[in-house]
Amino acid sequence: DTEVTQTPKHLVMGMTNKKSLKCEQHMGHRAMYWYKQKAKKPPELMFVYSYEKLSINESVPSRFSPECPNSSLLNLHLHALQPEDSALYLCASSQGTGYSPLHFGNGTRLTVT
Amino acid sequence: DQQVKQNSPSLSVQEGRISILNCDYTNSMFDYFLWYKKYPAEGPTFLISISSIKDKNEDGRFTVFLNKSAKHLSLHIVPSQPGDSAVYFCAVNRDDKIIFGKGTRLHILP
Repeated sequence: DTEVTQTPKHLVMGMTNKKSLKCEQHMGHRAMYWYKQKAKKPPELMFVYSYEKLSINESVPSRFSPECPNSSLLNLHLHALQPEDSALYLCASSQGTGYSPLHFGNGTRLTVT
Repeated sequence: DQQVKQNSPSLSVQEGRISILNCDYTNSMFDYFLWYKKYPAEGPTFLISISSIKDKNEDGRFTVFLNKSAKHLSLHIVPSQPGDSAVYFCAVNRDDKIIFGKGTRLHILP
């Protein structure tokens, strides 16, 4: 069982919908991450939160909006997505940034119709 | 611009033999390297890491070797088991970001 829990496992949304992806970890990690993975590609970094503050935004379009309500929770708010945003969205956490391994959840499979 | 290169998209190895997965990187300033394994419909699982002050790190059946002069690292799995069939990603720390290679699909043959 993964120690990083992501919900929902699957999500289908229309281009005008608003939805949120949720991630939770109880390992006491201080850094949390969103990655996006398309088929047969490596995970691509989207956002990094360190001590609940956004520290890295990899020039992600504003239709993706991250939120870190507390050190255990990470959300990704979605609005006006495009079909090309369909992908596996992975949450991860680590003790710190850079020199600690990331622990990933099993992801949310997002389909935008 | 690929900073982490896994040039073999796939690799087939007989069960019980050694699997060797390779990774090259472009920047000699990279100083922390990781290997992940990924099954379909699951997130990547951390396997082993190595910092640039070492040239070898071992954990059970998994050993990572780092050759800084060649900017090359490899993952050795001995002995290979059927459950090792998965996609393996090499990753590096770049400015506090973990960046992944494209992955190598390992098939363990019975």
